[in-house]
Amino acid sequence: GDSVTQMEGPVTLSEEAFLTINCTYTATGYPSLFWYVQYPGEGLQLLLKATKADDKGSNKGFEATYRKETTSFHLEKGSVQVSDSAVYFCALRTSGTYKYIFGTGTRLKVLA
Amino acid sequence: DAGVIQSPRHEVTEMGQEVTLRCKPISGHNSLFWYRQTMMRGLELLIYFNNNVPIDDSGMPEDRFSAKMPNASFSTLKIQPSEPRDSAVYFCASSSLAGEVTGELFFGEGSRLTVL
Repeated sequence: GDSVTQMEGPVTLSEEAFLTINCTYTATGYPSLFWYVQYPGEGLQLLLKATKADDKGSNKGFEATYRKETTSFHLEKGSVQVSDSAVYFCALRTSGTYKYIFGTGTRLKVLA
Repeated sequence: DAGVIQSPRHEVTEMGQEVTLRCKPISGHNSLFWYRQTMMRGLELLIYFNNNVPIDDSGMPEDRFSAKMPNASFSTLKIQPSEPRDSAVYFCASSSLAGEVTGELFFGEGSRLTVL
C-alpha cells in the first residue's frame, strides 16, 4: 500500500543553519504531496504542497520539490529560526481517494 | 473565518467513564476526519465521513469507540468505557474534497484525553 517514510528526529540546529528533512514515498497512483507543521499544543497546519512531478511547493522560506524519479519530497530551508521549532509531517494523498498517508513526523529544535 | 473547533481541549477521566469529544468542521467542508495521535503510533486515522455519512471506520480501535455526524456542522467521537490506553490527543480535521484536487486538510487544535 501507499506509505511515507521520513527521517527520524529529533533534529537540532543552531539558528541560521540550513535544514533538510528527508521524505520518500511509495504510491500506486499519482499522489499529491504535502508538508504539515505542528507547533507545540496545536493541530497540524499545511506548510506547503505539490501536486505533480517537478512542482516546487514553498512557504515561509521552506521549499520542497516533487521528485518522481526518486519518489522524494525533501523539505529544505536556507536559514532556520527558533520559531521554526516544531514537528514536521510529510504526507501524500492519491488523486481520487480521501486517504491521507502521514509520515511519523520529525521534530525540529532550533537553538538561539 | 473560524477554523475547525474541538471541545474539550483537555479531558481527564477515570477508567470506565464515558468520554465524548466534539468537533465543528469548517462551514462548507464536506469531509470530516477523526485522528488519534500518540507517541508510540503517531497519527492514526480513526474514521472518515463524507457528506455526513461514515465511509471508512476501519481505524476505529474497537467497539468501545463510536462516532457520529448528525449534520454537516457537528460530529462526536465517543469512548465508552474508557481505558488508560485510550490516552492520546484526538484531532478532528475537515476538508472540501469534491472540488479541489489537492484537498488540504484543516485540523482543529485537538482534545488531549487522559484516562487514569
